[in-house]
Parts: sequence; structure tokens; C-alpha cells
Amino acid sequence: AAGVIQSPRHLIKEKRETATLKCYPIPRHDTVYWYQQGPGQDPQFLISFYEKMQSDKGSIPDRFSAQQFSDYHSELNMSSLELGDSALYFCASSLGLGLAVYNEQFFGPGTRLTVL
Amino acid sequence: KQEVTQIPAALSVPEGENLVLNCSFTDSAIYNLQWFRQDPGKGLTSLLLIQSSQREQTSGRLNASLDKSSGRSTLYIAASQPGDSATYLCAIQGGSEKLVFGKGTKLTVNP
Repeated sequence: AAGVIQSPRHLIKEKRETATLKCYPIPRHDTVYWYQQGPGQDPQFLISFYEKMQSDKGSIPDRFSAQQFSDYHSELNMSSLELGDSALYFCASSLGLGLAVYNEQFFGPGTRLTVL
Repeated sequence: KQEVTQIPAALSVPEGENLVLNCSFTDSAIYNLQWFRQDPGKGLTSLLLIQSSQREQTSGRLNASLDKSSGRSTLYIAASQPGDSATYLCAIQGGSEKLVFGKGTKLTVNP
């Protein structure tokens, strides 16, 4: 079965550079979530989209922005990178936000971002 | 604000032992609870999802229970194997759809 695809899997950037992470949800899934997991930490919710509209926002820095496109893939744009942005970034997808409350989230393998 | 606590933070058991991982949450107004497995540096694998109206779910050697009124869930692993060694995360989905995670229990099953 198709799973959530994230690219790239690994990314190394310098401080103050920009990074773009991509997420391709499971086919027919219309909801995408982004989470950040720092070293030794639990995943923290950043932002979510349903049908190309932002549906919820967590502790996402103003330096970060995201969007969901017409094909439901999503991109997380990170600017002015800081050392503390080094983390695993997970994307998850689910089906039918707002239509069914029991929306199991399926996670991608993550993108490991290292900021030097 | 929902807070999720997992006890113990780490657990080491001999192969073949049955074990229980605990998860507690502060806000009982939940939609569902998911248990995940995470291997070091890897992604999150969903193990079981319990809807708020359910009491338990089973998959193979895994059984998860949910007691909403007391804000508790347990993950029972039967006949543990070295391959079960990983970090197990409990996550709550409330009204805002996002998942709120606990800090996990790191399980080591010794051969």
C-alpha cells in the first residue's frame, strides 16, 4: 500500500539558509499535518491543512511557512535557519478532516534537517 | 491544554516476558488515542488506534486499552521479543485534530 512520502530524507544547511521540505500524502488523503521532533524529544505539532486551507496551527516559528497544493502535496518552507531547527520533521496524512473525527494519522519516514 | 505522560520512561525486560506500558492524559475530551512505535532515528509506525467510544483494540501480540474517565491507556505486549525493542509513543487526538504526544517509553527486550 502507498505510504506518505517525504523528500528529501536528509538535508544539511548552514545557519541563515532556507530549506524546503516536501510531503506527498497517501492517495485520496486530503489532510496533511507537520510535526517537528527535536533530539530526544516527542513530536510537536507545527501546522495542518485540509483541502488546501490551513486548519490548525501549533508552535510554528514565524520563519516557517507551509502550504498545501491542488494535488494535496504540502511543502514546509523554513527561512533564516537556526541551529535549534535541527530536528526530524514528520508529515502525516489522514482522510476527511471534519467529516469523521476518528482520523487515523499515517506518518511519513521524516526529513532529518541538520543546521550547521 | 492536553498533557500526556508515559510511565516508565524506560523499561528493560527479558525475552518472553509480558509487559505493560502506561499512558495518562489530563483532558478526557478526546477523539482517539494512538500508540506508535519508533525505532532510533526512524519514523513513526502506527500500532493501534482506539476511538473514544471504544475500550480496547488488539493486533497480534498487542492489546491497547482506554479508560477515558480516568484518563488512562495501557499497551500490553505479550511474549516480548528482541525485535520489539523500540520507543513506544502514546498520542491523543482532541478537538483540534492535531496529535499531542507523550515523551515515550524506551523498551529494551534482552535475548
